[in-house]
Amino acid sequence: AQSVSQHNHHVILSEAASLELGCNYSYGGTVNLFWYVQYPGQHLQLLLKYFSGDPLVKGIKGFEAEFIKSKFSFNLRKPSVQWSDTAEYFCAVKGYGGSQGNLIFGKGTKLSVKP
Amino acid sequence: DAGVTQSPTHLIKTRGQQVTLRCSPKSGHDTVSWYQQALGQGPQFIFQYYEEEERQRGNFPDRFSGHQFPNYSSELNVNALLLGDSALYLCASGTGEAAGELFFGEGSRLTVL
Repeated sequence: AQSVSQHNHHVILSEAASLELGCNYSYGGTVNLFWYVQYPGQHLQLLLKYFSGDPLVKGIKGFEAEFIKSKFSFNLRKPSVQWSDTAEYFCAVKGYGGSQGNLIFGKGTKLSVKP
Repeated sequence: DAGVTQSPTHLIKTRGQQVTLRCSPKSGHDTVSWYQQALGQGPQFIFQYYEEEERQRGNFPDRFSGHQFPNYSSELNVNALLLGDSALYLCASGTGEAAGELFFGEGSRLTVL
């Protein structure tokens, strides 16, 4: 069965520090990959997605992710975090079947940014 | 433009009872997926509805059932509640059977005592 692993449960950074959140997936075939963010008290929002093409994907709010097929990884990065980036971040892969309605999520990484 | 709306936001039930959760998709969307998010876990796919039919199902027992109405809104029903059903239930909507980009609601927090 497909699965997604997120390496860090809780990351604490100071403002302006660089961020990298790890994500590994288990499926070896064609994958559709996503990063979602959940700000405190808000709903899940899509940060970015990878379907094909350029493995470096740029998303909203200065986030980017790199798809490395050989490592089964899709790590999320941001050069300089802000206090407003405090949130929980979820990596996800599209499950079997043709629909993106079926996503397999990792357990999430909580990011706390100190002002 | 309303996003995905879910009701109720919070509810408390006792073991053995039944619960119905409701979801209205984002305007223009016609497919609805339901997810269960237990504390400290990522969302887990329950099922997807499109054209009033269940199209895909995750690894959940038959106690979990759903419905989609002609106006694309959806219900999630859980029978014979167990303590382990306590979770945040998320509804997400998209376009077409392939769903496209999913938009999530804020969820219904179910506590089973």
